[in-house]
Amino acid sequence: GAVVSQHPSRVICKSGTSVKIECRSLDFQATTMFWYRQFPKKSLMLMATSNEGSKATYEQGVEKDKFLINHASLTLSTLTVTSAHPEDSSFYICSVNDGPGNQPQHFGDGTRLSIL
Amino acid sequence: KNEVEQSPQNLTAQEGEFITINCSYSVGISALHWLQQHPGGGIVSLFMLSSGKKKHGRLIATINIQEKHSSLHITASHPRDSAVYICAYSGGGADGLTFGKGTHLIIQP
Repeated sequence: GAVVSQHPSRVICKSGTSVKIECRSLDFQATTMFWYRQFPKKSLMLMATSNEGSKATYEQGVEKDKFLINHASLTLSTLTVTSAHPEDSSFYICSVNDGPGNQPQHFGDGTRLSIL
Repeated sequence: KNEVEQSPQNLTAQEGEFITINCSYSVGISALHWLQQHPGGGIVSLFMLSSGKKKHGRLIATINIQEKHSSLHITASHPRDSAVYICAYSGGGADGLTFGKGTHLIIQP
């Protein structure tokens, strides 16, 4: 199955900083990647679907101007949290489908973001 | 109301016990996923199924589409099985997953 690398694994930074998280599909060309967020003791929630070469599709309630997604190649999607605030502190994780249609999803290791 | 309900929320058992985790969902789905999340946050896909039953090692997953219910079983449980087990569904195609809250499993030696 697809191998997914996510970087960085942990970020601690000051309020107002913009943070970029990378998600790479190492052995599979992914036209679609997913970004999820998990607050402490809460369910994972889909934030957006990243589409190679086109705009991302955001879930209701997720601000597209705050969470910028770029999927410029078949192996890399980036999520930038712009002007991060403490309420953005969360666990962010990406995933890749293991092929077209319904397939198992392969997850990155996640990024734990802490905004002071 | 969450579209995916899991039970139990927490489960502590002794090594060797047979474990069952249940998942109910309320919408039509394309596939049901069972995932394992480790303390550091990393997630591993255990099963994806749309009908019947699948087995991998000591893990068994079943689904009843008519009843909108799935179960994950662990036979001969071991402390290394301790993790959060998450049920999720996909609506189809390029859809992302909708997750349950997870079951926190602890297997004591």
